[in-house]
Amino acid sequence: DAGITQSPRHKVTETGTPVTLRCHQTENHRYMYWYRQDPGHGLRLIHYSYGVKDTDKGEVSDGYSVSRSKTEDFLLTLESATSSQTSVYFCAISGAGRYNEQFFGPGTRLTVL
Amino acid sequence: AQSVSQHNHHVILSEAASLELGCNYSYGGTVNLFWYVQYPGQHLQLLLKYFSGDPLVKGIKGFEAEFIKSKFSFNLRKPSVQWSDTAEYFCAVNANTGNQFYFGTGTSLTVIP
Repeated sequence: DAGITQSPRHKVTETGTPVTLRCHQTENHRYMYWYRQDPGHGLRLIHYSYGVKDTDKGEVSDGYSVSRSKTEDFLLTLESATSSQTSVYFCAISGAGRYNEQFFGPGTRLTVL
Repeated sequence: AQSVSQHNHHVILSEAASLELGCNYSYGGTVNLFWYVQYPGQHLQLLLKYFSGDPLVKGIKGFEAEFIKSKFSFNLRKPSVQWSDTAEYFCAVNANTGNQFYFGTGTSLTVIP
């Protein structure tokens, strides 16, 4: 398995509180991604990063922000969590170039009450 | 934007039955294609990938997929499924000039012993 860790693995929080999820990689890959997984929707891209301090929005970015200050770390922040953000969040990494696949982290299960 | 369609949402098979899961994508350019598997409670793992060359791709655990460019399809097959193949299967596509990956909504496979 690729060296990807996510923390925390499980979190329960209340509506309106800020939440930060962390993804850490040891592969030195250029690209990092945050997805959410919900029944019936598969994986949907929230944000991705193509380098340190270089990020872009995905298809479901509203209510989320990201930061990448080091190659190995990609943070996802929910500024004010809502119940609709209850989901499983996966981080993924990918190398640069034409022939690369994504490797996924173990996921974080977030429940917003 | 690209899109990926998986028409089978839930498939139930008996052990030893043959499996074929459909995947179609919409993108006119050159693509990289992937199948991922997600066992219950786990993260996505790569089953197989197609970048170029032989359109019949063999992956792990006896799975294979065939890329048919004219049909924009990349169907997953296995001649004889096992109970341990019970999982969710995701098709993904990536334009090989970019680093965004697009996922289908997944197919849940249940194999009955």
